[in-house]
Amino acid sequence: EPEVTQTPSHQVTQMGQEVILRCVPISNHLYFYWYRQILGQKVEFLVSFYNNEISEKSEIFDDQFSVERPDGSNFTLKIRSTKLEDSAMYFCASSFSSGSYEQYFGPGTRLTVT
Amino acid sequence: AQSVTQLDSQVPVFEEAPVELRCNYSSSVSVYLFWYVQYPNQGLQLLLKYLSGSTLVKGINGFEAEFNKSQTSFHLRKPSVHISDTAEYFCAVSQRNQGGKLIFGQGTELSVKP
Repeated sequence: EPEVTQTPSHQVTQMGQEVILRCVPISNHLYFYWYRQILGQKVEFLVSFYNNEISEKSEIFDDQFSVERPDGSNFTLKIRSTKLEDSAMYFCASSFSSGSYEQYFGPGTRLTVT
Repeated sequence: AQSVTQLDSQVPVFEEAPVELRCNYSSSVSVYLFWYVQYPNQGLQLLLKYLSGSTLVKGINGFEAEFNKSQTSFHLRKPSVHISDTAEYFCAVSQRNQGGKLIFGQGTELSVKP
């Protein structure tokens, strides 16, 4: 069964450093998402991406964040200058279409900012 | 704006007992409703979804949920749980005719004891 993969599984970085979290969505999917879950809190939407552009973003997704689909398979989330409060589990998801279609989630990348 | 409330953060239950995980939502527009499950160290997996039609929805692993529009609820039930059902369960909504952004509840940790 096809699945969404994410690398790395765990990333430790120092405050102020740039990080790139990588995701490989399911190959025929067209919609891509990033969510995050701070420890002990709910899963929060960050951004959705379709047709090579952001279709929606949350208030969390400020200028420090960016997304890119650099080739036909990868989908990346970049945090330009990490803060302590960026420490969280980051989930990538993809779906064939939007709305009623199931979003398939990756296993997540745990980001720890020290 | 939509919001989701899961009324129980933890639900302990004995094996083979029935269980109900509660979910209420708030929205001024029509929504799709979802239940996801997260096993330890894994991503979120779709259990079931309500799009329209019959208010009783059956999902994987013997779970079902009932949509109640008047009470704005979407409670998840299973008549007899197994040890393997121990996981975190998330209720989520997405707005119809929008880009598929999921709004999650806080999650309910189901702990099945022998």
